[in-house]
Amino acid sequence: DSGVTQTPKHLITATGQRVTLRCSPRSGDLSVYWYQQSLDQGLQFLIQYYNGEERAKGNILERFSAQQFPDLHSELNLSSLELGDSALYFCASSVTGGRDTEAFFGQGTRLTVV
Amino acid sequence: AQSVTQPDIHITVSEGASLELRCNYSYGATPYLFWYVQSPGQGLQLLLKYFSGDTLVQGIKGFEAEFKRSQSSFNLRKPSVHWSDAAEYFCAVGGVSGGGADGLTFGKGTHLIIQP
Repeated sequence: DSGVTQTPKHLITATGQRVTLRCSPRSGDLSVYWYQQSLDQGLQFLIQYYNGEERAKGNILERFSAQQFPDLHSELNLSSLELGDSALYFCASSVTGGRDTEAFFGQGTRLTVV
Repeated sequence: AQSVTQPDIHITVSEGASLELRCNYSYGATPYLFWYVQSPGQGLQLLLKYFSGDTLVQGIKGFEAEFKRSQSSFNLRKPSVHWSDAAEYFCAVGGVSGGGADGLTFGKGTHLIIQP
């Protein structure tokens, strides 16, 4: 158990819908990352937050957004969903968010868009 | 831009045999390198990491990796594999320099199959 909690574990929704994925980081970790894992693209970095502020952006679509709340949990919002958004979405957390810090991954949310 | 290449999509090894998984990276500065393992239906677990210092790093579950700057490689090794090592293995390089992590750049992964 990494200490990173993601909910829900599975999500099935229809095209055009909007969903919210939730992540609770390890106790004491200030930085949260979101990753997407798909068969086509592999594991891709989406976005990083540090202590409530956006710190880095990766290959995140404009239809996707995220935020980190004062209690440090984070949410990833996916809207106008398409079939191609079906993937495993991981959250990870680290203490400082520096590039040399170890990131701990949650077990992921499997999103299926039908 | 940074990149990670894992040349082997699948590798099959007999139980008890040695293992080497290859990883090559492209990075403009000192790389921060990681190996993660993903078991079916699970998240990613860190096996080991290289930040600086000794180029041979020891990790969990009996794994080790060697950083070779001249070859831009960070290969993962294990002297004797167990059936429980069957999983997907990912090599990753740390984010760009400048203070921000920018997340990890992952390779496509190597699927390890263990034969009895």
